[in-house]
Amino acid sequence: KNQVEQSPQSLIILEGKNCTLQCNYTVSPFSNLRWYKQDTGRGPVSLTIMTFSENTKSNGRYTATLDADTKQSSLHITASQLSDSASYICVVSGAGGGADGLTFGKGTHLIIQP
Amino acid sequence: DTAVSQTPKYLVTQMGNDKSIKCEQNLGHDTMYWYKQDSKKFLKIMFSYNNKELIINETVPNRFSPKSPDKAHLNLHINSLELGDSAVYFCASSQDQAVFSPLHFGNGTRLTVT
Repeated sequence: KNQVEQSPQSLIILEGKNCTLQCNYTVSPFSNLRWYKQDTGRGPVSLTIMTFSENTKSNGRYTATLDADTKQSSLHITASQLSDSASYICVVSGAGGGADGLTFGKGTHLIIQP
Repeated sequence: DTAVSQTPKYLVTQMGNDKSIKCEQNLGHDTMYWYKQDSKKFLKIMFSYNNKELIINETVPNRFSPKSPDKAHLNLHINSLELGDSAVYFCASSQDQAVFSPLHFGNGTRLTVT
């Protein structure tokens, strides 16, 4: 069964600090892995998309890594800001690579405190 | 400019009623989707339309009927609402069904059935 598990479930850090969110998946065959940011009361917004051949991709202060061998990904946030408070969702695309093959994680709820 | 807009944002109704949620995208995308986010925060795909044609229809009760009058609109009609239908419903779009097309989500409609 395709699954995406994220840890921690929630995280509280002080503004300016760095943090790393984890994603483990069992989706097979694997096509790509996506990270989304979901602000409270809003829809998810795409941060990165990586294929199996990419092991790192950055979007501003967000850097995603992928180890397709161990089926693990991480999202590193540098110099956190209050606006980073949100849920971060890991999404893995399986066979076909399209939306019908997406498996969503439950998300990590990140709170940045001033 | 709102890329994917859905209305209403909140919908409170009683069991047995029929209700509709509307969605419009101004991104010129070919593919549109409906997702359901339950209380456990998992996002699950319900339907996918490509150029007004149904592509994905997951195991969803036939009380749910999507309608796409044109490729910029995908509405969701729900008959005989039940308590278990309470959730946040997200409309989304993507350029096409290609592997790396990111999803663009609306801000969700919170449906509460009493």
